[in-house]
Amino acid sequence: KQEVTQIPAALSVPEGENLVLNCSFTDSAIYNLQWFRQDPGKGLTSLLLIQSSQREQTSGRLNASLDKSSGRSTLYIAASQPGDSATYLCAVRPHGATNKLIFGTGTLLAVQP
Amino acid sequence: GAGVSQSPRYKVAKRGQDVALRCDPISGHVSLFWYQQALGQGPEFLTYFQNEAQLDKSGLPSDRFFAERPEGSVSTLKIQRTQQEDSAVYLCASSLKLAGVYEQYFGPGTRLTVT
Repeated sequence: KQEVTQIPAALSVPEGENLVLNCSFTDSAIYNLQWFRQDPGKGLTSLLLIQSSQREQTSGRLNASLDKSSGRSTLYIAASQPGDSATYLCAVRPHGATNKLIFGTGTLLAVQP
Repeated sequence: GAGVSQSPRYKVAKRGQDVALRCDPISGHVSLFWYQQALGQGPEFLTYFQNEAQLDKSGLPSDRFFAERPEGSVSTLKIQRTQQEDSAVYLCASSLKLAGVYEQYFGPGTRLTVT
């Protein structure tokens, strides 16, 4: 059974710092991995999607890497801003008949001004 | 264009009541998903539709939960005889297969509180 773990559960950093969020998964048989952002009381916003054949994806100050064989992904946020404060979730789409996502429990990020 | 919309945004139900939660996916998206998110947890898969066909309902926690998408567009998640453990945010997502990738787009969710 696929399990997704995110470390740390919570993180507080001063504005301007670079930071890394970690995601690990137990079964490497995945189609892709997505990173989402969730603001309090809101739905999920997709940040980056990495196909299983890819090693990384970049969007602005965000860079996500994928090492499928070791079951790990990282989300790197450069020059953090208070507006980056949110919960960050990673999710994998496992091989199988449906296209459901398996989520981690998230990392709650607070960027202090 | 319009994203995924859900209604109501908030619902308070007394234990034992039936509730119906609605999801309007992005126009043209054939795939639709329901997830349940408990407080402090990541979303957990409930069920999946491709057009009007419910292809996977393995995540529905009990036979009190029922989902439908009769015309392949709007979907309704119904919970009968609600229990306190049903309190959660219910998220709907839709996706379109583009170049083999099913990127899911989420709605704002319905927060259900059972008292």
